[in-house]
Amino acid sequence: DTAVSQTPKYLVTQMGNDKSIKCEQNLGHDTMYWYKQDSKKFLKIMFSYNNKELIINETVPNRFSPKSPDKAHLNLHINSLELGDSAVYFCASSQEGPGATESFRPQHFGDGTRLSIL
Amino acid sequence: GQNIDQPTEMTATEGAIVQINCTYQTSGFNGLFWYQQHAGEAPTFLSYNVLDGLEEKGRFSSFLSRSKGYSYLLLKELQMKDSASYLCAADLNSGGYQKVTFGIGTKLQVIP
Repeated sequence: DTAVSQTPKYLVTQMGNDKSIKCEQNLGHDTMYWYKQDSKKFLKIMFSYNNKELIINETVPNRFSPKSPDKAHLNLHINSLELGDSAVYFCASSQEGPGATESFRPQHFGDGTRLSIL
Repeated sequence: GQNIDQPTEMTATEGAIVQINCTYQTSGFNGLFWYQQHAGEAPTFLSYNVLDGLEEKGRFSSFLSRSKGYSYLLLKELQMKDSASYLCAADLNSGGYQKVTFGIGTKLQVIP
């Protein structure tokens, strides 16, 4: 059984379009994340949700809108796609929450969505 | 700001030992992760250090010095399948929640 699954795996689209990426985790984790990995392979956090609430927003353009209908799902909608949005987008989850400093929880990553803007 | 530095590329020979260094300057530091990422795949968890010292896990060991802002990942008896990127990542406290900040990653090539 896949722990963190995201769809689609590949997404090729034209500049200006709107697209969504879906993510689901069956690990029972409280916290989910979206990361962007650019062409230089630098993995950077975009958003973090804990129990459906936004807790981290790393100054991402407001064309990116995450939505968490429940704690097992975190989707990412992108409006008006630009060339610079081409990257691999990873979803991840961990068992986190208040008191995170007391213990550690490694993040489990999905297989990534390879987004290419033409 | 948060800063994590590691070499971008390294090459080592099959059967040898390699050490990948990482230095960090961060606030709200909890501990240090190492992840492995094969080309075209997702990062996978290797190790976590919260206390100073060496943590050994089979062929892989990880070291942390909190006072020096320094960590390394040691890979012994290198195998061809160890060719991958190794990501150093700081586990930070952001308002009581975990925020993981990654370094650029070190691309390790293992040669015969």
